[in-house]
Amino acid sequence: KAGVTQTPRYLIKTRGQQVTLSCSPISGHRSVSWYQQTPGQGLQFLFEYFSETQRNKGNFPGRFSGRQFSNSRSEMNVSTLELGDSALYLCASRWGLAGAKLFSYNEQFFGPGTRLTVL
Amino acid sequence: AQSVTQPDIHITVSEGASLELRCNYSYGATPYLFWYVQSPGQGLQLLLKYFSGDTLVQGIKGFEAEFKRSQSSFNLRKPSVHWSDAAEYFCAVFNAGNNRKLIWGLGTSLAVNP
Repeated sequence: KAGVTQTPRYLIKTRGQQVTLSCSPISGHRSVSWYQQTPGQGLQFLFEYFSETQRNKGNFPGRFSGRQFSNSRSEMNVSTLELGDSALYLCASRWGLAGAKLFSYNEQFFGPGTRLTVL
Repeated sequence: AQSVTQPDIHITVSEGASLELRCNYSYGATPYLFWYVQSPGQGLQLLLKYFSGDTLVQGIKGFEAEFKRSQSSFNLRKPSVHWSDAAEYFCAVFNAGNNRKLIWGLGTSLAVNP
């Protein structure tokens, strides 16, 4: 079974531009989460999508948005890029929502990430 | 607020030596705890997890971790390190409350000397 794939793997943009990143989950997985990883802040949760609906979100400005399609593929968009948006953006998929039942958890699998550099 | 602390930013060990990576968490209820590894250019891979039961959990690649509630710790260990273990290691706790998401430590970078 193929793993989580992310495209593109590397991106260079300039301030003020916008960018769209793509994530294809493992076949059969319906939940996709996005994370931002930076050396100073570590892994920060952006949002989670399930069945085309955003189910959970982190503390990021509205410039960060996402969506999920009927085939569970997901995209995230960052508008009006800032230098501080330079990071590794990771996507993770799981078959169901995190903690769909109280105190339950199902494992998520990560893609290799998209390295975004903002100049 | 829930948090995860990995006190060691960077550790260097010799190949064949034992390894212990520290992780301390702050969480009110019984935690779900995880260790992930990230190799250069790779995504995060789950090494092991603790949900309940036996406090010593075995993972992949010869790693194990021990949950100590009294110390709020979940340290990762390996008896003999291989050069291929050089990577970034992350500890995480799952917040099973209303905001159900993983809370991550900042990671420990492991270098292995030949």
